Amino acid sequence: AQKVTQAQTEISVVEKEDVTLDCVYETRDTTYYLFWYKQPPSGELVFLIRRNSFDEQNEISGRYSWNFQKSTSSFNFTITASQVVDSAVYFCALRGRDDKIIFGKGTRLHILP
Amino acid sequence: DTGVSQDPRHKITKRGQNVTFRCDPISEHNRLYWYRQTLGQGPEFLTYFQNEAQLEKSRLLSDRFSAERPKGSFSTLEIQRTEQGDSAMYLCASSSSFGGFPEAFFGQGTRLTVV
Repeated sequence: AQKVTQAQTEISVVEKEDVTLDCVYETRDTTYYLFWYKQPPSGELVFLIRRNSFDEQNEISGRYSWNFQKSTSSFNFTITASQVVDSAVYFCALRGRDDKIIFGKGTRLHILP
Repeated sequence: DTGVSQDPRHKITKRGQNVTFRCDPISEHNRLYWYRQTLGQGPEFLTYFQNEAQLEKSRLLSDRFSAERPKGSFSTLEIQRTEQGDSAMYLCASSSSFGGFPEAFFGQGTRLTVV
């Protein structure tokens, strides 16, 4: 069975601080994808980043970076120099070989001015 | 193409009534997903389609729920004899199983309130 766990329910940081959101996943598949989505107060889920199981290279895209470690089944997401507009709920998701996408329960991020 | 669209955006219904929601996916996407989201929770998988074929239905879904995707284009989700516990946001998403872009794109959702 596949599972995504986001242990952090809620995080508050002051604007311009860096913040890391944790994600741990479980799957028996050798081929899979991991994603991060953002859900702002408006409610629509917005795709942010993806990583496939064969590529453990960590990347940076603007203020976003992610750390994928298969050895610990973790896919953490970092926002650098946070801004108030980053306030939202962030979801980690897993897509396995059957193409079903499952989500974690989310981390609510508050960026305080 | 303007993305995934869902209709209606809001629905208020009396307990016991039937409701139907529609989802129009991104046109070239062959996968279509339905999720339910309640306050403070992540999207909960309900069912998904590849073209017109329904591949899996969540065991959490009662027989009152049914989904279709005729001709592999738009999809409908019907809830019969609604209950107050059905109140939630119903999300539709679509993706492609080709082209190296596996992420799903979501519509704005249909918020259902059962009174």
